Amino acid sequence: KAGVTQTPRYLIKTRGQQVTLSCSPISGHRSVSWYQQTPGQGLQFLFEYFSETQRNKGNFPGRFSGRQFSNSRSEMNVSTLELGDSALYLCASSLDWGLEQFFGPGTRLTVL
Amino acid sequence: DAKTTQPTSMDCAEGRAANLPCNHSTISGNEYVYWYRQIHSQGPQYIIHGLKNNETNEMASLIITEDRKSSTLILPHATLRDTAVYYCIVRVNSGGSNYKLTFGKGTLLTVNP
Repeated sequence: KAGVTQTPRYLIKTRGQQVTLSCSPISGHRSVSWYQQTPGQGLQFLFEYFSETQRNKGNFPGRFSGRQFSNSRSEMNVSTLELGDSALYLCASSLDWGLEQFFGPGTRLTVL
Repeated sequence: DAKTTQPTSMDCAEGRAANLPCNHSTISGNEYVYWYRQIHSQGPQYIIHGLKNNETNEMASLIITEDRKSSTLILPHATLRDTAVYYCIVRVNSGGSNYKLTFGKGTLLTVNP
């Protein structure tokens, strides 16, 4: 069974631009969560989607948004990029309630 | 979710058992203990989880104290590839809205040859 895939793996943007990251969960998994990882803050939860609905949201500004499609694939968007948005963005999928999450390799975003 | 306390770093000799402790003194009765690890530049990897009883799988064993205020992850025969940051997480495992994993700083385990 293929794992969680994320595209692109690396991305360089400039301040003020927007970016869209993509995540394909493991086949059959309906829950997709997004996390941001930085050296200073560690791994922080962004949001979680299940059946195309956002069920949970972390403490990030509205510039961070996401969506999930009917095939469970998910995208996250960051608008008006700031230098502090440079981070590794990780996507994780799971079958449902509280089950173990399987992480993708991440997208390394650099904002210049 | 309850907070956890882990040592910042640990060393272990290759082939020996690695015992990683975690304190979670404020854990609630319905919160599980999860362990993940993150090898450099990769996404976190699920290792094991448990509620009350000790658990074992092909990767590791999880020992939870009777009062559930602490636990230990045991890698029975550590290899160089086990060098990673290990995260201990406690979370509710049933319905409602507790799906997120709250990662602390974790323990950097270095396995030495």
